[in-house]
Amino acid sequence: DGGITQSPKYLFRKEGQNVTLSCEQNLNHDAMYWYRQDPGQGLRLIYYSQIVNDFQKGDIAEGYSVSREKKESFPLTVTSAQKNPTAFYLCASSPRDRRTNEKLFFGSGTQLSVL
Amino acid sequence: QKEVEQNSGPLSVPEGAIASLNCTYSDRVSQSFFWYRQYSGKSPELIMSIYSNGDKEDGRFTAQLNKASQYVSLLIRDSQPSDSATYLCAVNILRPLWGNYQLIWGAGTKLIIKP
Repeated sequence: DGGITQSPKYLFRKEGQNVTLSCEQNLNHDAMYWYRQDPGQGLRLIYYSQIVNDFQKGDIAEGYSVSREKKESFPLTVTSAQKNPTAFYLCASSPRDRRTNEKLFFGSGTQLSVL
Repeated sequence: QKEVEQNSGPLSVPEGAIASLNCTYSDRVSQSFFWYRQYSGKSPELIMSIYSNGDKEDGRFTAQLNKASQYVSLLIRDSQPSDSATYLCAVNILRPLWGNYQLIWGAGTKLIIKP
């Protein structure tokens, strides 16, 4: 089955620690995205990538880093510089076509909490 | 003013009635509008997209778009308890500095269908 796989489902971070959230897709989509969702708020874009080896900052990139070495994979690292990392993190992908690239396919999400 | 606004709710509707969800947006040149449904602890799933003024129907769901009033709505007919979820409105908004559009999300309206 084609889809997007995020892991882990739950993640706990100690103060000063970097943690990496995994996102893998087998939909052959060019574009991939990372969103953060806080209770009572809309999704906010952290980083996005339209093509392998290229990515762009979204609205709230500070304290996060990404890589896009393979088309299928777009891992997100939450660094110790992110002082309030507790949130629900969503990875998404879309075809690159201008008309259809707005339809997003989401992974199941990772809930990150601080110990 | 937020770029995409929704009433957070909760909106409580009796089973079998029509649920009406509303969304306003700020960018007059927006071309694409989406409604996603999100169950608690799960990822959003696309239920409707609309690009032109007027109504678009898909089963029990109808999306309505009025670009002059910068208003998009979602009607759910014959509401079922399984429709109880948070409904997210998303609008493609032009980002001149990026040279492309970005999907901006409302905070969502929590819908409760009472049996």
